[in-house]
Amino acid sequence: GAGVSQSPRYKVAKRGQDVALRCDPISGHVSLFWYQQALGQGPEFLTYFQNEAQLDKSGLPSDRFFAERPEGSVSTLKIQRTQQEDSAVYLCASSLVWQGNTEAFFGQGTRLTVV
Amino acid sequence: GNSVTQMEGPVTLSEEAFLTINCTYTATGYPSLFWYVQYPGEGLQLLLKATKADDKGSNKGFEATYRKETTSFHLEKGSVQVSDSAVYFCALRDNQGGKLIFGQGTELSVKP
Repeated sequence: GAGVSQSPRYKVAKRGQDVALRCDPISGHVSLFWYQQALGQGPEFLTYFQNEAQLDKSGLPSDRFFAERPEGSVSTLKIQRTQQEDSAVYLCASSLVWQGNTEAFFGQGTRLTVV
Repeated sequence: GNSVTQMEGPVTLSEEAFLTINCTYTATGYPSLFWYVQYPGEGLQLLLKATKADDKGSNKGFEATYRKETTSFHLEKGSVQVSDSAVYFCALRDNQGGKLIFGQGTELSVKP
């Protein structure tokens, strides 16, 4: 596709439910990032993949959060036993190569509301 | 660790006014610096970037200069338009290729 695609765009989950958020990066992009953006705040880093390797997961807030990218393209962010504080927009970004001066392209995000 | 600090918003300006949004950073080494913009209802888009000291990034009339001596990357535009109303995020990325680190964002509202 032309850009980074995320699905679903909106997700309402009952507290305690498990959710899975999908990211389709731009074809051929090596690096993939997940961010969490609370209302009125900047995006906060969650985790980073280079191809299928998860190189940094230091931003995952708890062991309820899990991300994978098994074939080095599509990625899934899974949140188990959702809690109200998990309500946020989850952003995915990809970049062509790993170098720091490379632009990262963002998807439109998935807005998760936990009720 | 690395961090980015932006001036707090919201910033409200009249059309054709001069805009400055301050951004300072803390980083080891020589990061690349970015400004991203988020228009209402849309995703984050790269506005401009600078990859080394004294570089000036520019796009759509916006400019920012990478100032290593003051660790700053202030965003400026000489004459804002209503269509510039958005949230602006300053960010850095270290040259090891890791994560982008964002500031908290500055909301800009331009009135006709």
